[in-house]
Amino acid sequence: DTEVTQTPKHLVMGMTNKKSLKCEQHMGHRAMYWYKQKAKKPPELMFVYSYEKLSINESVPSRFSPECPNSSLLNLHLHALQPEDSALYLCASSPGGLAERTYEQYFGPGTRLTVT
Amino acid sequence: DAKTTQPPSMDCAEGRAANLPCNHSTISGNEYVYWYRQIHSQGPQYIIHGLKNNETNEMASLIITEDRKSSTLILPHATLRDTAVYYCIVRRVLAGSYQLTFGKGTKLSVIP
Repeated sequence: DTEVTQTPKHLVMGMTNKKSLKCEQHMGHRAMYWYKQKAKKPPELMFVYSYEKLSINESVPSRFSPECPNSSLLNLHLHALQPEDSALYLCASSPGGLAERTYEQYFGPGTRLTVT
Repeated sequence: DAKTTQPPSMDCAEGRAANLPCNHSTISGNEYVYWYRQIHSQGPQYIIHGLKNNETNEMASLIITEDRKSSTLILPHATLRDTAVYYCIVRRVLAGSYQLTFGKGTKLSVIP
């Protein structure tokens, strides 16, 4: 099973709402990622969890709050978002660490978020 | 970080080989080149990667020049389903783990 699943597929929320995006993988991967992708732009890295610990936060505003409850799950909690936060949010996973010489990130299909 | 440069768009006739170039002139000796593609509104999909030898798998071939400053992804028989944005990425190490930084990519259109 090389699948990364994300829910929901689509989400519309108001600027005062609180919502969460969910990501799950069962490949035994120990690194998980959140990316943000605006229309016609490449994916931009937001957060990296390595062995359930937050290792990278690419200067993301605090209205985005990641959480890694266990090695298979990754959440992104959203609060007080702005319309410019509307984008495709992608989750990815990889085996993790530097011991492996080869490396591949597996991506989920994404959640299309619209902030009104 | 090693940067990559790709043409913004390319066309290819269905059934012909698609050759997608990438420049990575600042690549370091131990950095790998990765190729991903993203079909409209889907997550990126891994295609192939290499260090200095040419590589081939069931999806594509990767040709890396001897000086490693450029590479070419080859889709041997392009189909309409290969229409996508193709990203050439130099893997980097950040905070003790490998990361991928996506550039602007090449939008490949396969024409019937």
